Amino acid sequence: AQTVTQSQPEMSVQEAETVTLSCTYDTSESDYYLFWYKQPPSRQMILVIRQEAYKQQNATENRFSVNFQKAAKSFSLKISDSQLGDAAMYFCAYRSEGAQKLVFGQGTRLTINP
Amino acid sequence: GAGVSQSPRYKVAKRGQDVALRCDPISGHVSLFWYQQALGQGPEFLTYFQNEAQLDKSGLPSDRFFAERPEGSVSTLKIQRTQQEDSAVYLCASSTDRNPIYEQYFGPGTRLTVT
Repeated sequence: AQTVTQSQPEMSVQEAETVTLSCTYDTSESDYYLFWYKQPPSRQMILVIRQEAYKQQNATENRFSVNFQKAAKSFSLKISDSQLGDAAMYFCAYRSEGAQKLVFGQGTRLTINP
Repeated sequence: GAGVSQSPRYKVAKRGQDVALRCDPISGHVSLFWYQQALGQGPEFLTYFQNEAQLDKSGLPSDRFFAERPEGSVSTLKIQRTQQEDSAVYLCASSTDRNPIYEQYFGPGTRLTVT
């Protein structure tokens, strides 16, 4: 079974600085999808960014970008120019090509210091 | 359009009571998922529907958990004889089959507390 590991339970960053959240996963499959979800306090989970495993180019969405290292099974999220609204729990998630369910990591709580 | 909605948002149940949690997916979304999120943890998959068919229920922790989606739209997760370990946030998500990545859109969750 696939597993997703987020080794940083908590991270903090100064407003306007850059922070990187780590995620590693274990799979024997070659085709899959990876996601970063954001869960603000008492608010619903929203998708931040996604990456198809067959794409070598790292995904980017405005201030959010990923560093996808397929051989190392690593999928980190970089947030540039951090803003107070970025404070939330961040979850890394994996989905097999042939399946529908998401497998989540334990999450990283990100604090933004003004 | 409207997002995924869930009701109730909060539920307190005495141990041994039955509860029913409702999910209204985004209109037209074929797929519907239930996840359980314990405090301080990531969500864990419970079950998956495609239209009215329950295609995967491998994550349901016991036979006290039952989910249905009789008309392929609204879904209900029922927990019988609740136990303290059932206390968690129950998340519902839906997705369309028109996007090959099948992005899942999440509802706000129902926080269940069993006393």
